[in-house]
Amino acid sequence: DADVTQTPRNRITKTGKRIMLECSQTKGHDRMYWYRQDPGLGLRLIYYSFDVKDINKGEISDGYSVSRQAQAKFSLSLESAIPNQTALYFCATSFDSQETQYFGPGTRLLVL
Amino acid sequence: ILNVEQSPQSLHVQEGDSTNFTCSFPSSNFYALHWYRWETAKSPEALFVMTLNGDEKKKGRISATLNTKEGYSYLYIKGSQPEDSATYLCASYGGSQGNLIFGKGTKLSVKP
Repeated sequence: DADVTQTPRNRITKTGKRIMLECSQTKGHDRMYWYRQDPGLGLRLIYYSFDVKDINKGEISDGYSVSRQAQAKFSLSLESAIPNQTALYFCATSFDSQETQYFGPGTRLLVL
Repeated sequence: ILNVEQSPQSLHVQEGDSTNFTCSFPSSNFYALHWYRWETAKSPEALFVMTLNGDEKKKGRISATLNTKEGYSYLYIKGSQPEDSATYLCASYGGSQGNLIFGKGTKLSVKP
């Protein structure tokens, strides 16, 4: 079984809809991250969490919110989706900030 | 925000060629430099995490060097194979920012 899982893997939604992307991990890591990938722009950090009570904004947090429900779960919400949030979203985990990050399989989101 | 630059953006080589690409990062407040390999339709996977100036790491035909004083790292692939085709990402941990900043990647295509 995969150590980092994301649901859904693909999602099509309409402008203005609220959607949630979920991430679960079995690695026992405290640190979890949400990134988005756009062609030509690489991976950009949306939010990160050092533990259940510590959540921080990343480079591009506007229009997004997160919830760390437990050590193993970190959800990303788009409160009111807009077309320029169409992207590939990755969740990742790490033991600490200097250690390797382990990525989930990604969620491909299309906002119409 | 810490800036991580990678060059070239893309690279096309023939099977058997050796190749290398560059990652540059601010040398001040350096903590760690990561290299990831990202195949199409998959998620990024860690190759190396490097922390010490002069560090050299090797995994099969792939190796990397690190110069923290001048702020660059090289990734080398010896005798490229078609299965090496992927985007290679580097990322630097910015210390006080508490997270990795990724470069935009070098996309390698190896022709049989």
